[in-house]
Amino acid sequence: DADVTQTPRNRITKTGKRIMLECSQTKGHDRMYWYRQDPGLGLQLIYYSFDVKDINKGEISDGYSVSRQAQAKFSLSLESAIPNQTALYFCATSFGPGELFFGEGSRLTVL
Amino acid sequence: LAKTTQPISMDSYEGQEVNITCSHNNIATNDYITWYQQFPSQGPRFIIQGYKTKVTNEVASLFIPADRKSSTLSLPRVSLSDTAVYYCLASASRQLTFGSGTQLTVLP
Repeated sequence: DADVTQTPRNRITKTGKRIMLECSQTKGHDRMYWYRQDPGLGLQLIYYSFDVKDINKGEISDGYSVSRQAQAKFSLSLESAIPNQTALYFCATSFGPGELFFGEGSRLTVL
Repeated sequence: LAKTTQPISMDSYEGQEVNITCSHNNIATNDYITWYQQFPSQGPRFIIQGYKTKVTNEVASLFIPADRKSSTLSLPRVSLSDTAVYYCLASASRQLTFGSGTQLTVLP
């Protein structure tokens, strides 16, 4: 089983729908991150969390919200999806400022 | 936040040594330098991390000069499977932001 699990792996939805991407980890790491990657581009940080009560905006947080339900779970929500949020989304974890461990990604298509 | 600058792309041939340089002029005293490799549609994978001088592991070496304003990832004897995007990060702070990365293409 993967240490960092993302669900769903693929999702197609329509404009205006609410979408939740979930991330869970078994590594026991304190830090969790959500990144977005558009085709051919680098990763952009959406939100990051260092603790259940410590949640912070990243580079591109507009249109997104997150919830850190437990140390092991970090969910990303799109309250009202729009087509330019079509992208590959990655969850990552780390222990302190060390190595990032990524999930397999969630491919979201907004029609 | 330390901003990093890398070449957009590089080509190499199988069996050659490849050096990818990253500039990070405003690196902070407590920043580490970390390199990741990413294949299409996969999450980045950790390659190596260092603070200064030279670090070597089973897949790469990382060279960091005394002024720490740049770093060089060295991949010995690359193969076709090393074709990927390589990112450097310079941060010990809360935000871990990726630059645009370097597309390395290994040719036969």
